Amino acid sequence: EVQLVESGGGLVQPGRSLRLSCTASGFTFGDYAMSWVRQAPGKGLEWVGFIRSKAYGGTTEYAASVKGRFTISRDDSKSIAYLQMNSLKTEDTAVYYCTRIRVGRFDYWGQGTLVTVSS
Amino acid sequence: QSALTQPASVSGSPGQSITISCTGTSSDVGGYNYVSWYQQHPGKAPKLMIYDVSNRPSGVSNRFSGSKSGNTASLTISGLQAEDEADYYCSSYTSSSIPYVFGTGTKVTVL
Repeated sequence: EVQLVESGGGLVQPGRSLRLSCTASGFTFGDYAMSWVRQAPGKGLEWVGFIRSKAYGGTTEYAASVKGRFTISRDDSKSIAYLQMNSLKTEDTAVYYCTRIRVGRFDYWGQGTLVTVSS
Repeated sequence: QSALTQPASVSGSPGQSITISCTGTSSDVGGYNYVSWYQQHPGKAPKLMIYDVSNRPSGVSNRFSGSKSGNTASLTISGLQAEDEADYYCSSYTSSSIPYVFGTGTKVTVL
């Protein structure tokens, strides 16, 4: 059974940093691209970014709203994807979901972790 | 890249059929057969319901179906049930500066 479990969320002050983790199980983690999607309170889904599998260079892509501040990385030996968030803003407050990507779709989602940016 | 356009709300009585539209451009919905749909119940994570315009993942009820015409994709729920009450989001691969975009979301209410 595919499982994705996010961790690392919490309350953080504006301008500070936070790192989220996504621990995967039930599939060969290294074979898949992984993505982060967020949802602000009462709002819709927003794609944040993704990281390709090593077979496709392990490269990353980001939404304009987070580019230059957020970094996605992966440790295939531990089956973990990370989202490093720097220079956090109040508008980054959201539930952050880790998802697995298959061509053109987000086929499995974690339960989400809440990040609150507030002073 | 703007979000794909969905109606804010759609409602129907039990047993009826409803259709949710998802309008984009030739750079996303109209240009690729990588349209997917997600169901989200309150406080829960989204769940993939349809992928590649019209394919259902294993375990998803055949009451859910998808289609596309031009720049607009559609999700149809037939035989509406109380458990279908949720938010629904479409998504598409895009050729724009970002590879994926979501729709604005539609709240489905079962009357």
